[in-house]
Amino acid sequence: EIVLTQSPGTLSLSPGERATLSCRASQSFSSTYLAWYQQKPGQPPRLLISRSSSRATGIPDRFSGSGSGTDFTLTISSLEPEDFAVYYCHQFGSSPPWTFGQGTKVEMK
Amino acid sequence: VQLEQSGAEVKKPGESLKISCQVSGYRFAGYWLAWVRQMPDKGLEWIGIIYPDDSETRYNPSLQGQVTISADKSINTAYLQWSSLKASDTAMYYCARLRDGYNSCSDFWGQGTQVTVSS
Repeated sequence: EIVLTQSPGTLSLSPGERATLSCRASQSFSSTYLAWYQQKPGQPPRLLISRSSSRATGIPDRFSGSGSGTDFTLTISSLEPEDFAVYYCHQFGSSPPWTFGQGTKVEMK
Repeated sequence: VQLEQSGAEVKKPGESLKISCQVSGYRFAGYWLAWVRQMPDKGLEWIGIIYPDDSETRYNPSLQGQVTISADKSINTAYLQWSSLKASDTAMYYCARLRDGYNSCSDFWGQGTQVTVSS
């Protein structure tokens, strides 16, 4: 099972600031099999990024993803008020089980 | 595309339960569908997946034997069931469509079904 470790656990930032979220895997896998989701309270997760760096339909270009091997990053270039949420990375490249990181909460400072 | 999940459930330990996820807007049989658990104030946990066309399933080994995933393609509905609930099964359960096949992210999600198990 691939374990995904996200850091930091919480990121306290102000609107307009840049957010950099990390996702580190316990073993290497193809970036094709890494996605990022956003979850707000009381809502299901929402797909942001697939294949490590491809924005999903309707996702603003302030969201970007990068990385390969064991290290992946989600960047929000300039935080909008609606971006304060919990973000999860997700891998589905090995044999099951697919796994999620434990989440990074982006909160307003 | 819509995934409509059944309503919240309150059960006692030892009881059985089957929750559902009815889809519309795409060909149900042709896409893998996942079930994901979120325990109170916790992160996401992958339970398993099913391919409705032939009901092939894959489970998280940590949960295998505790839940059963099934599907009825005649009514575009997937199910997650328990034969004997435990308090630790208390969680929000989501169904989600896998976008591009077996090794794929989930692009559409149900609204979630809250399951509460308490004596």
